[in-house]
Amino acid sequence: SQQGEEDPQALSIQEGENATMNCSYKTSINNLQWYRQNSGRGLVHLILIRSNEREKHSGRLRVTLDTSKKSSSLLITASRAADTASYFCATAPLNTGNQFYFGTGTSLTVIP
Amino acid sequence: NAGVTQTPKFQVLKTGQSMTLQCAQDMNHNSMYWYRQDPGMGLRLIYYSASEGTTDKGEVPNGYNVSRLNKREFSLRLESAAPSQTSVYFCASSEIQWSDRYYGYTFGSGTRLTVV
Repeated sequence: SQQGEEDPQALSIQEGENATMNCSYKTSINNLQWYRQNSGRGLVHLILIRSNEREKHSGRLRVTLDTSKKSSSLLITASRAADTASYFCATAPLNTGNQFYFGTGTSLTVIP
Repeated sequence: NAGVTQTPKFQVLKTGQSMTLQCAQDMNHNSMYWYRQDPGMGLRLIYYSASEGTTDKGEVPNGYNVSRLNKREFSLRLESAAPSQTSVYFCASSEIQWSDRYYGYTFGSGTRLTVV
């Protein structure tokens, strides 16, 4: 499988705390994305980081990419109850065209 | 609202029946995709269409066919449904990832299919 793997599978934190989830992948990539999925809904794109980038920010989101370790992390700062969702990383392996491969996700619960 | 529209939202089929899942996008994207999502498996790519007139197999194409009808529409067909095809199906579209206009996938809201 070319899927990435998220870690942990499930995470429960108090509102206001930071949440960190990790993604590891197997092959060299063009870029990596993070998506959020609320229960029963489609996925929503959060952020894209290209293989020549090491860190990106978007609001309360911070993504890092370490291509030498084939891993990425997503940090959500000052979490809110509305951040409760599943988070997926998606990787675009080199030489595989325009398609992305998704991991199995991290289920985040933010307790008010 | 601009986005990806999937129909139907829910469907129950008997084993052996056929059906077509419809997907349409109005963002003028070149690429479209079909994924299935199963518990503990994440999303797996069934088929994709990099551009109008082309289709290619993904990770799990067996039992499915697709048609890129035009730039807007990409349908997924189950010719003879099996219980193993019970899943949530998502359609997505995007620009080509090397394009300056690329900002990731836009997903539809999903089709929940049960095969009994």
